[in-house]
Amino acid sequence: SQTIHQWPATLVQPVGSPLSLECTVEGTSNPNLYWYRQAAGRGLQLLFYSVGIGQISSEVPQNLSASRPQDRQFILSSKKLLLSDSGFYLCAWSRPRNIQYFGAGTRLSVL
Amino acid sequence: EDQVTQSPEALRLQEGESSSLNCSYTVSGLRGLFWYRQDPGKGPEFLFTLYSAGEEKEKERLKATLTKKESFLHITAPKPEDSATYLCAVQAREGGGADGLTFGKGTHLIIQP
Repeated sequence: SQTIHQWPATLVQPVGSPLSLECTVEGTSNPNLYWYRQAAGRGLQLLFYSVGIGQISSEVPQNLSASRPQDRQFILSSKKLLLSDSGFYLCAWSRPRNIQYFGAGTRLSVL
Repeated sequence: EDQVTQSPEALRLQEGESSSLNCSYTVSGLRGLFWYRQDPGKGPEFLFTLYSAGEEKEKERLKATLTKKESFLHITAPKPEDSATYLCAVQAREGGGADGLTFGKGTHLIIQP
């Protein structure tokens, strides 16, 4: 069966510090991968998606970037965090045009 | 632009009191409508996918239905363990390469014993 892992679960970072969140998927190959952000009072917003190694598309302009160095690894990064980057970050995977399955999420607080 | 509106924002029911959650959507060609359950501090858990108007799916006390403009999640005789936030999302047929979902803000459901 397939599983998706995200870490860390919780992160508190000062403004201006770098960020690296990691997501890995097990039990499948060549999955579509996604990063979403869930802010208080708002729905989940798609940030990035990837259909293969090195292929990243951004849905919204922002202070964040994503990379996919391996088939089942997806990384969310920032060089300098802003207060507005706080939120609940979720990684998801799917087969193409299929159900998306989510990880447990990372709660990021930027102070 | 695809949009999803869920109502009510919050709903408090007594155990055993049946009700329905609403998800209204506008999308340029619907590929699928998805329902998820999200517990506090956790990732969304998949419940149902609906693809065409008139389709219905059931799982335990939950039943999801779909029309051309909205979807309902019916909860029959709920139990306290059904308390969660229920999320509705749509996937457009022409996603421009992204299979990304457009989510509503969710309905926060509380079932009191």
